[in-house]
Amino acid sequence: GAVVSQHPSRVICKSGTSVKIECRSLDFQATTMFWYRQFPKKSLMLMATSNEGSKATYEQGVEKDKFLINHASLTLSTLTVTSAHPEDSSFYICSARGGGGEAFFGQGTRLTVV
Amino acid sequence: TQLLEQSPQFLSIQEGENLTVYCNSSSVFSSLQWYRQEPGEGPVLLVTVVTGGEVKKLKRLTFQFGDARKDSSLHITAAQPGDTGLYLCAGEWGGGADGLTFGKGTHLIIQP
Repeated sequence: GAVVSQHPSRVICKSGTSVKIECRSLDFQATTMFWYRQFPKKSLMLMATSNEGSKATYEQGVEKDKFLINHASLTLSTLTVTSAHPEDSSFYICSARGGGGEAFFGQGTRLTVV
Repeated sequence: TQLLEQSPQFLSIQEGENLTVYCNSSSVFSSLQWYRQEPGEGPVLLVTVVTGGEVKKLKRLTFQFGDARKDSSLHITAAQPGDTGLYLCAGEWGGGADGLTFGKGTHLIIQP
């Protein structure tokens, strides 16, 4: 299957700082990228959908000013958690969809805010 | 928001037994995917089903899509400890522009 690389895999940051997570499609062009959040022993919850060159569409209840998404190219999307707080600690996962229709997931980023 | 019910949420069985995981919705899926996720990693796609009544096999795993495309099942034959993990079904109802809606997942433990 196609490869989606997410970086970093783990990050610990201080409360009040911002953290950027990158999601790259390595061997295909991703017209759409998705960002999910997953709490321990829970399923994935869609946070937002981003299309290259346009503003992201956020799911209800997700603060767009707190979770900034930039989809600057067909192979890169970034999620920035601004002014992070301990309750933002979670597992964040991106997925990328190309022309074939299937979506492939990154490895996930474990964010811990202390 | 479309709802997708997945059951059971937790299942612990002995090696060699068979099991079935179910995924249901009140709406018609345009497609449905099954994933497996290991702790600390992203989900890995197992299969995509699109056509009503479709059956796909992946070694000891059999995936079925309901005729009305509102439900799906994952059947594992002769489960092995290596099958332990979180199994997720995820559905799409639109043309593919929207993200996937995931079921709550099934935490499967196969005891040797």
